[in-house]
Amino acid sequence: DAGVIQSPRHEVTEMGQEVTLRCKPISGHNSLFWYRQTMMRGLELLIYFNNNVPIDDSGMPEDRFSAKMPNASFSTLKIQPSEPRDSAVYFCASSFRLRDRGPLAKNIQYFGAGTRLSVL
Amino acid sequence: AQKITQTQPGMFVQEKEAVTLDCTYDTSDQSYGLFWYKQPSSGEMIFLIYQGSYDEQNATEGRYSLNFQKARKSANLVISASQLGDSAMYFCAMRIQGAQKLVFGQGTRLTINP
Repeated sequence: DAGVIQSPRHEVTEMGQEVTLRCKPISGHNSLFWYRQTMMRGLELLIYFNNNVPIDDSGMPEDRFSAKMPNASFSTLKIQPSEPRDSAVYFCASSFRLRDRGPLAKNIQYFGAGTRLSVL
Repeated sequence: AQKITQTQPGMFVQEKEAVTLDCTYDTSDQSYGLFWYKQPSSGEMIFLIYQGSYDEQNATEGRYSLNFQKARKSANLVISASQLGDSAMYFCAMRIQGAQKLVFGQGTRLTINP
């Protein structure tokens, strides 16, 4: 079975340019997450969707960042305009969400290979 | 707020030895889950093992086991019979009930020496 697929794997762009990162979640999963990994801040959640609906975008750093999930099999994270401080590895993850009823549901998040973004 | 602490930035272990990676967590919630992920040099994040706060038995997955000590709020990962391919960054993470967000620790870089 295919895992979470992200593209591109690497992106080098110049400051001020628009950057679009893409993600295809695992088929059948109903939750999708975007994380960012930097040396200074580690792994942090940017936004997540349930059933294609954005639920929590409190981790999105600023208005330059936007994310969409037009259907169950595709999501984008866009940065416009990009800045050097946006350089990081961006991960997409997906899970099949079960509600927590009494005991916590595992809801394991499976990650893609990441997109390494460099903004010059 | 939840917090994960991994106090070992780096560890060096001889091949075939067992290794324990430390993880302590802080939460006031009673229902939570603890996760370990592996990140090899190629960059992907690989799920290894899960432990629920109400699970009575320590989780095991092949050579991986989780030493869960609830009173101490620790969830250490134990890798038995380490292999060269175990060299990677290892992250401990937590999710509390009702939330979907994973909170990660800073990671431990494990190096297995031949």
